[in-house]
Amino acid sequence: TQLLEQSPQFLSIQEGENLTVYCNSSSVFSSLQWYRQEPGEGPVLLVTVVTGGEVKKLKRLTFQFGDARKDSSLHITAAQPGDTGLYLCAGLNTGTASKLTFGTGTRLQVTL
Amino acid sequence: EPEVTQTPSHQVTQMGQEVILRCVPISNHLYFYWYRQILGQKVEFLVSFYNNEISEKSEIFDDQFSVERPDGSNFTLKIRSTKLEDSAMYFCASSGFLGGEQFFGPGTRLTVL
Repeated sequence: TQLLEQSPQFLSIQEGENLTVYCNSSSVFSSLQWYRQEPGEGPVLLVTVVTGGEVKKLKRLTFQFGDARKDSSLHITAAQPGDTGLYLCAGLNTGTASKLTFGTGTRLQVTL
Repeated sequence: EPEVTQTPSHQVTQMGQEVILRCVPISNHLYFYWYRQILGQKVEFLVSFYNNEISEKSEIFDDQFSVERPDGSNFTLKIRSTKLEDSAMYFCASSGFLGGEQFFGPGTRLTVL
């Protein structure tokens, strides 16, 4: 069974601070997707990283895929209250290339 | 922007009853999925579907579950005899190609009493 562990589980920071969320596994994934989920809603895709070592930027969000394609990180610069939410990483299995294995989630709260 | 839609948004049913959850995937997508999320837990894969057949299913997807694409637009998940532990958010997702990005619907909250 493939597992994805995210850390930290909870993060409460003030507006303007920087933060990093980690997503780690002992398994290799063909790609990794980051989602954001609001309460009672479905996950919304933020980005997909495919190549080991790949870095993608989405405004103040920077996503990195580990060289071995087993881990990933999400860095937010100058966090804003609108960044508040649940961040999920999800790995696409190398073998079947069809199902997503979701991480445990990081709940971020950004206060004024 | 194309999106995945799901109905109903909330379904309450009695234990032992059958429920059908409906999804309309993004129109040119070919791969369809169901996931579920029990309150406070991780999103879990249930089943993937392509070319009118199941391509992979998890241990959760037992004989009580079935999926169908009855026409060119809908994708359904049926639970034949619901149990209390089936209470969860059920998400439909679709992707345009094998290994492609998966786009999720807003979910159906199923409550089994």
